[in-house]
Amino acid sequence: AQSVTQPDIHITVSEGASLELRCNYSYGATPYLFWYVQSPGQGLQLLLKYFSGDTLVQGIKGFEAEFKRSQSSFNLRKPSVHWSDAAEYFCAVALQTGANNLFFGTGTRLTVIP
Amino acid sequence: EAGVTQFPSHSVIEKGQTVTLRCDPISGHDNLYWYRRVMGKEIKFLLHFVKESKQDESGMPNNRFLAERTGGTYSTLKVQPAELEDSGVYFCASSQVSAGGQYFGPGTRLTVL
Repeated sequence: AQSVTQPDIHITVSEGASLELRCNYSYGATPYLFWYVQSPGQGLQLLLKYFSGDTLVQGIKGFEAEFKRSQSSFNLRKPSVHWSDAAEYFCAVALQTGANNLFFGTGTRLTVIP
Repeated sequence: EAGVTQFPSHSVIEKGQTVTLRCDPISGHDNLYWYRRVMGKEIKFLLHFVKESKQDESGMPNNRFLAERTGGTYSTLKVQPAELEDSGVYFCASSQVSAGGQYFGPGTRLTVL
């Protein structure tokens, strides 16, 4: 069965520290890959997406993600976290053929401490 | 450019009542999606419109849920009658091309008592 796994439910980092949020997927073929962020009271905002090509993808707000086919992973990274990055982060995938609805992981809540 | 809007932001109803959620997609976006997040679980797909046609409604939980998109603009999602397990946050998303990344609204938090 298709699945998206975000193994970390909650992560706490200090402001200025680096961040890596993990995402693994299980599909028959490489899907389209996305990271979304939801700040309190806001909708989901698209941070970045991977369709093909360069496996290191740059997104908004200084985030990047790396697609590793051998590990079926698409981890999100940021070199220096800001207090405003505190939010919930969702990894999502969509099949490259057929339906284009998104399959989401359960989310990772990020807390940033001063 | 206005984003995806949803109304209401929060709805509290009693079991057995009817609720209608509305979504206004970004202008010009033919694709409209509904998703739901039940507390503690992942966000799950409900259905997908292309213009006014239902492209995929495989995620709709049961026949108590009815989605419409008359004229291919805004969409409504009606729950009738509501049950306790329908509580959650209902998200709407739209996109111009189906695989281009979806733009989400802020969600409607539905509480069924």
